[in-house]
Amino acid sequence: NFMLTQPHSVSESPGKTVTISCTRSSGSIASNYVQWYQQRPGSAPTSVISENNERPSGVPDRFSGSIDSSSNSASLTISGLKTEDEADYYCQSYDSSNPVVFGGGTKLTVL
Amino acid sequence: QVTLRESGPALVKPTQTLTLTCTFSGFSLTTSGMCVSWIRQPPGKALEWLALIDWDDEKYYSASLQTRLTISKDTSKNQVVLTMTNMDPVDTATYYCARGFLRKFDPWGQGTLVTVSS
Repeated sequence: NFMLTQPHSVSESPGKTVTISCTRSSGSIASNYVQWYQQRPGSAPTSVISENNERPSGVPDRFSGSIDSSSNSASLTISGLKTEDEADYYCQSYDSSNPVVFGGGTKLTVL
Repeated sequence: QVTLRESGPALVKPTQTLTLTCTFSGFSLTTSGMCVSWIRQPPGKALEWLALIDWDDEKYYSASLQTRLTISKDTSKNQVVLTMTNMDPVDTATYYCARGFLRKFDPWGQGTLVTVSS
């Protein structure tokens, strides 16, 4: 089994750029796609990035995703931060032995 | 438009069996690559994956909960059912179902809060 580790919380000011990391404990981050989900308070999660760097329809281009094999991690970057971006963000991946693995979530505060 | 809706009891007693139903529309669970997954979230805590059923009826379970979980589908009714036995107060959570395609989950249902209490 592998784990996905995220920072517990991050904060940044409106208009700035923030990056949330997601580090895979074993196996290559590049072997399986990484997805990112946004969960606003009281709501169900919604997809903001799929397949490492693809934005679903309707997601602003302020959201971008990437992977870095050297650190075995994925990242979600949000530029031009808005107060509406304040939410919890979860990464998710899988492999042949683990069909679904979620990270522990990161609380983004926009202050 | 793809939608999913979870239904089931809001309150169960310890040791009881929980049965949740995910009723979906806008896609077919007979399509290659399609799946439906159950995920839960205790109040104030992170998402926890529970179970998944593939279009070809392959089933997968969380290693820590597999002895208590059963997932099944009824394609004629567009439903996926999850049962969890021997419920405990620590199982109090919002339970979500989500459509998956090649292990990417979107959309999710609105979730249903299940409280375990005597």
